[in-house]
Amino acid sequence: ETGVTQTPRHLVMGMTNKKSLKCEQHLGHNAMYWYKQSAKKPLELMFVYNFKEQTENNSVPSRFSPECPNSSHLFLHLHTLQPEDSALYLCASSQDFFGGVSYNEQFFGPGTRLTVL
Amino acid sequence: AQKITQTQPGMFVQEKEAVTLDCTYDTSDPSYGLFWYKQPSSGEMIFLIYQGSYDQQNATEGRYSLNFQKARKSANLVIPASQLGDSAMYFCAMREGASGTYKYIFGTGTRLKVLA
Repeated sequence: ETGVTQTPRHLVMGMTNKKSLKCEQHLGHNAMYWYKQSAKKPLELMFVYNFKEQTENNSVPSRFSPECPNSSHLFLHLHTLQPEDSALYLCASSQDFFGGVSYNEQFFGPGTRLTVL
Repeated sequence: AQKITQTQPGMFVQEKEAVTLDCTYDTSDPSYGLFWYKQPSSGEMIFLIYQGSYDQQNATEGRYSLNFQKARKSANLVIPASQLGDSAMYFCAMREGASGTYKYIFGTGTRLKVLA
């Protein structure tokens, strides 16, 4: 597989369920991102990992828990979600150089469409 | 204040006509990058074009060009001859500075519909 893959593509869960979203990048990038895309709102950055270290946590509720076991994989663990968490969750990766001026574009996965009942 | 503003929530254009999608940004950082992404109905975000704040010339990438007006803080995407496959959501994004942060800030997007 090439590029950035995400599984599952669609997920329906109840508020008491626990589920995980998976993202995998095959591009050799060192930075990975989770975004939330809700209708009529800008893309919201949730988490950033660089070389497996979390570098950004954009005030995301604790019911979202990221995990980055290596530079190629990124998970988003979900528990006790709310209906307003229903959205498209996008994963992205990029090749970045810490402390340098680097504006390499992000490569996005197809997203997971999450519905919380 | 919004950092990235896209004032056109939706646009229609006739096939083969030119279209300009507007984007204005707000930053006090002298070093920044501007991006345009396309999101078809399938959901995947596709990178189109990049403009650096220090670039002297407007960026071009295949069919796409970016009309960069630094003093006005605008970075409009230009598609000179639209195609049916251009129908999608288009997002403008910005990344500020060289501090090692990895924040990309996105606008609300413009939905483009190309008519046959």
